Amino acid sequence: AQSVTQPDIHITVSEGASLELRCNYSYGATPYLFWYVQSPGQGLQLLLKYFSGDTLVQGIKGFEAEFKRSQSSFNLRKPSVHWSDAAEYFCCLRGGTASKLTFGTGTRLQVTL
Amino acid sequence: EAQVTQNPRYLITVTGKKLTVTCSQNMNHEYMSWYRQDPGLGLRQIYYSMNVEATDKGDVPEGYKVSRKEKRNFPLILESPSPNQTSLYFCASSQGPFSNQPQHFGDGTRLSIL
Repeated sequence: AQSVTQPDIHITVSEGASLELRCNYSYGATPYLFWYVQSPGQGLQLLLKYFSGDTLVQGIKGFEAEFKRSQSSFNLRKPSVHWSDAAEYFCCLRGGTASKLTFGTGTRLQVTL
Repeated sequence: EAQVTQNPRYLITVTGKKLTVTCSQNMNHEYMSWYRQDPGLGLRQIYYSMNVEATDKGDVPEGYKVSRKEKRNFPLILESPSPNQTSLYFCASSQGPFSNQPQHFGDGTRLSIL
């Protein structure tokens, strides 16, 4: 069985501060991992993806994520958060039969000015 | 513009009244799926389709039906809706059933079943 855990339901950071959102996964083979962002009233937008190779991947809007196989983690980071980054973030694993997609429960990011 | 289009965006209806949520994509994607999003539960897959006339159950298929008669369309059918199906629904598509393909999502349909 595959699973994704996002331990933080809600995070608040100040604008300009750094950000790290945690994601842990469980999967028996090489995972394909994604981070999506959901702004209020919107669908999900892909931020970045990891398939193989370089464990540090760059995404849109200045986000990056690091895949650590030994820790089964795929944490999302941003050096300096902007107020427009306030949204809900979902970590996602794709694998298994028929490319089953499993989402974490999401982390809601609040940015204070 | 590449997109996944869902209709309606919002619907309030009553228990037992059949409804259909349409989903259409213009990217010639083979793989399509439906999810429901509930607070604290993230997104859970309801049904998916690998291609035309090929559909299968996801994690929470009870109370839902789907069909895939054309490549671009993947409607979600609630034959007899119940209040526990009140949720935010997303349709998504991707290029193929390969694990390295990210999914493109529609803007969502908020259903309220009274």
